[in-house]
Amino acid sequence: EAGVTQSPTHLIKTRGQQVTLRCSPISGHTSVYWYQQALGLGLQFLLWYDEGEERNRGNFPPRFSGRQFPNYSSELNVNALELEDSALYLCASNWGRAAGTEAFFGQGTRLTVV
Amino acid sequence: AQSVTQPDIHITVSEGASLELRCNYSYGATPYLFWYVQSPGQGLQLLLKYFSGDTLVQGIKGFEAEFKRSQSSFNLRKPSVHWSDAAEYFCAVGPPNTDKLIFGTGTRLQVFP
Repeated sequence: EAGVTQSPTHLIKTRGQQVTLRCSPISGHTSVYWYQQALGLGLQFLLWYDEGEERNRGNFPPRFSGRQFPNYSSELNVNALELEDSALYLCASNWGRAAGTEAFFGQGTRLTVV
Repeated sequence: AQSVTQPDIHITVSEGASLELRCNYSYGATPYLFWYVQSPGQGLQLLLKYFSGDTLVQGIKGFEAEFKRSQSSFNLRKPSVHWSDAAEYFCAVGPPNTDKLIFGTGTRLQVFP
């Protein structure tokens, strides 16, 4: 069974540009979570999508946005990139609002903003 | 305020030695506690979790953790470390809802032969 897959694995962007990151959850999972892992800061929760709807967002500016498609895959968009957006972006999936279910993480997308 | 502290940024041990990674938390209700491992180039993998019951929790790869409510701690232990255990370890606390988990800043484990 395929795990959570993310693409691309690495990318480099220039400050001010826009970027789209993609995530495919494990088959059968309806929820996708996005996290930012910046150096020395641990994981910071970004967004949660379930059944195509945004259910919660973390303390990030509106230029961080995303969506979930009918097949439950998800995109994370970041506009007007800033240097401090350089981080590993992790996607996770599970069965959503069934409390206590484990989240399975992808390998992440390493974004470097120069 | 809810928070997780992993006091050790970097730990180095010899292969075969015992290991203890510290995790302290501040949380207003009964916490759900997790330990994740992130190997180089890999995503996070759940090692173990504590929801209720026995305060000593067994996980994968020979790891265990003990919940001590009086000390607000959930330390991760392994009796004999293998070189393949070199990775970054994250403690997390929260309700059972994934979007509300609070992660620590991680402890990087280096293993010498």
